[in-house]
Amino acid sequence: DAGVIQSPRHEVTEMGQEVTLRCKPISGHDYLFWYRQTMMRGLELLIYFNNNVPIDDSGMPEDRFSAKMPNASFSTLKIQPSEPRDSAVYFCASRGQGPYNEQFFGPGTRLTVL
Amino acid sequence: KNQVEQSPQSLIILEGKNCTLQCNYTVSPFSNLRWYKQDTGRGPVSLTIMTFSENTKSNGRYTATLDADTKQSSLHITASQLSDSASYICVVSALDSSYKLIFGSGTRLLVRP
Repeated sequence: DAGVIQSPRHEVTEMGQEVTLRCKPISGHDYLFWYRQTMMRGLELLIYFNNNVPIDDSGMPEDRFSAKMPNASFSTLKIQPSEPRDSAVYFCASRGQGPYNEQFFGPGTRLTVL
Repeated sequence: KNQVEQSPQSLIILEGKNCTLQCNYTVSPFSNLRWYKQDTGRGPVSLTIMTFSENTKSNGRYTATLDADTKQSSLHITASQLSDSASYICVVSALDSSYKLIFGSGTRLLVRP
């Protein structure tokens, strides 16, 4: 298995632009999580899905952030409009029915908003 | 409030030496505790996972301990290698919310030759 796939790996954009981050979870996993990591706040859960349905989006910072999961193999996290304080590394993770409810993380997308 | 605290914040050791990282948590009711290794520019990778009934678990040169009474865990690295340079994150999940992980801020380890 290729693991969790994220794209792009790096994104540099200007303030006000729309940014879309993409994630392909591990095949067969029914949970998908979006995290944000910064030096100041560490890893924070933004939103998670179960069977493509958003379950908890309480971590989404503002209405500028939105996430979708149109099918079991694809999810997007969109920021519109982007702001410099959104600069961070965004991770996607997926989880199946294995023991310990282990989450497997993707390589992350490093976002820089100028 | 559910919290996970790690110490030290950063650590520098010489190659071949041992080190121990600490984690204290206040998560309740406790489900399990994980140690993740995060290399620079990569996502976290699980090293060990322990439940309430487990007090030690090893993964090669990594040995994690758990004291559920004092709510403390440690990660011991034996005979460190340059490739051990990374951030080590302690993560706890609660029984009533196993999908939400509570992350520590991590310990940044640098192994020098």
